[in-house]
Amino acid sequence: KNQVEQSPQSLIILEGKNCTLQCNYTVSPFSNLRWYKQDTGRGPVSLTIMTFSENTKSNGRYTATLDADTKQSSLHITASQLSDSASYICVVGHRGTYKYIFGTGTRLKVLA
Amino acid sequence: EAQVTQNPRYLITVTGKKLTVTCSQNMNHEYMSWYRQDPGLGLRQIYYSMNVEVTDKGDVPEGYKVSRKEKRNFPLILESPSPNQTSLYFCASSSSTDSYYGYTFGSGTRLTVV
Repeated sequence: KNQVEQSPQSLIILEGKNCTLQCNYTVSPFSNLRWYKQDTGRGPVSLTIMTFSENTKSNGRYTATLDADTKQSSLHITASQLSDSASYICVVGHRGTYKYIFGTGTRLKVLA
Repeated sequence: EAQVTQNPRYLITVTGKKLTVTCSQNMNHEYMSWYRQDPGLGLRQIYYSMNVEVTDKGDVPEGYKVSRKEKRNFPLILESPSPNQTSLYFCASSSSTDSYYGYTFGSGTRLTVV
């Protein structure tokens, strides 16, 4: 079954600290993997996208990695800010079906 | 500004009263989709459309209808809403059915059915 699992479910960190979110997937065949940021009650906004041949992608303080062999991805946030408080969703594209498989997200809270 | 516009943002209705949630995009995207988001379940696809007059069921289509008469619009119709359709709904569009191209999401519609 094509699934995307994220961990942890929730995370609380202090402002200025780094953190890493995890995404494991079983989607096959794989097309690409995206990380989205979703503020409460708002639509998700794309942070990074990686295809099979890419193993790292950065967007400012956000760096995503992909290990296609182990089917794992991580999102690393450097020097967190209060505005990073949001849910982070991992989404994997299912090649050939035009389907996206969504993880349930990690809820991040950054405290002052 | 490139965007996906959903209306209304909030809606409270009663069981059985037909309603329509509108979705419009100004990016000339071919691919559009509706999702619902419930606590602990993530985003689940309701229906999607690959082009005008081409629609197909997603993972949770029961109780919903859609239409795609124009490229820019993709309304979601609940013919007879029930309380289990209380949820946060998102419309999304993409420039291509190749899933490399990411979605642009609308701001969401919070629906409550009493």
